[in-house]
Amino acid sequence: EVQLVESGGGLVQPGGSLRLSCTASGFTFSNYWMSWVRQAPGKGLEWVANIKQDGSEKYYVDSVEGRFTISRDNTKNSLYLQVNSLRAEDTAVYYCARRFGSGSVFDYWGQGTLLTVSS
Amino acid sequence: EIVLTQSPATLSLSPGESATLSCRASQSVSSYLAWYQQKPGQAPRLLIYDASNRATGIPARFSGSGSGTDFTLTISSPESEDFAVYYCQQRKDWPITFGPGTKVDVK
Repeated sequence: EVQLVESGGGLVQPGGSLRLSCTASGFTFSNYWMSWVRQAPGKGLEWVANIKQDGSEKYYVDSVEGRFTISRDNTKNSLYLQVNSLRAEDTAVYYCARRFGSGSVFDYWGQGTLLTVSS
Repeated sequence: EIVLTQSPATLSLSPGESATLSCRASQSVSSYLAWYQQKPGQAPRLLIYDASNRATGIPARFSGSGSGTDFTLTISSPESEDFAVYYCQQRKDWPITFGPGTKVDVK
């Protein structure tokens, strides 16, 4: 069974940093592009970042470019999102998602981890 | 950036009444459109990809159609577990974008 389990969320002050993690199981992690998608409280979904199987390609939404870094460790079946220079508008549930097939369609999602940016 | 617009914002249905949800793109996305279902407190679930292909395990009462800029998700005779929020998503161009969602609730 495919499982994605996020962790690392919490309350952070504006300007602060945090690292979100996602541990994968039930599939060959190194064969898949992976993504982070976020959802602000009561709002819709926003794609944040993608990373290729070997980590050689990374893509970000403009609003986080230069502040967030996606990475992965295939030996640990883990995906990460380093979030820096946090702003109130980064407050959201962050989902880890597996990219399906050859395009950015997300077939499995974790349960999400809540990041709250507030003083 | 490709903007997706969904209508209606809320759709109130009687059980068994079919639902038709619309997603319109600001420019052509070819057939690179997906639909997701999200229930309160849960992660989204992939229903349809590439406009009309049902994802694994998705019941046949869910169907998708369209191409270019206009797409439809149809739920034939919704069951109680189908009352949820539905999002469309395009993968034609960066950045990947989602629509604002349509909430399907019980009349």
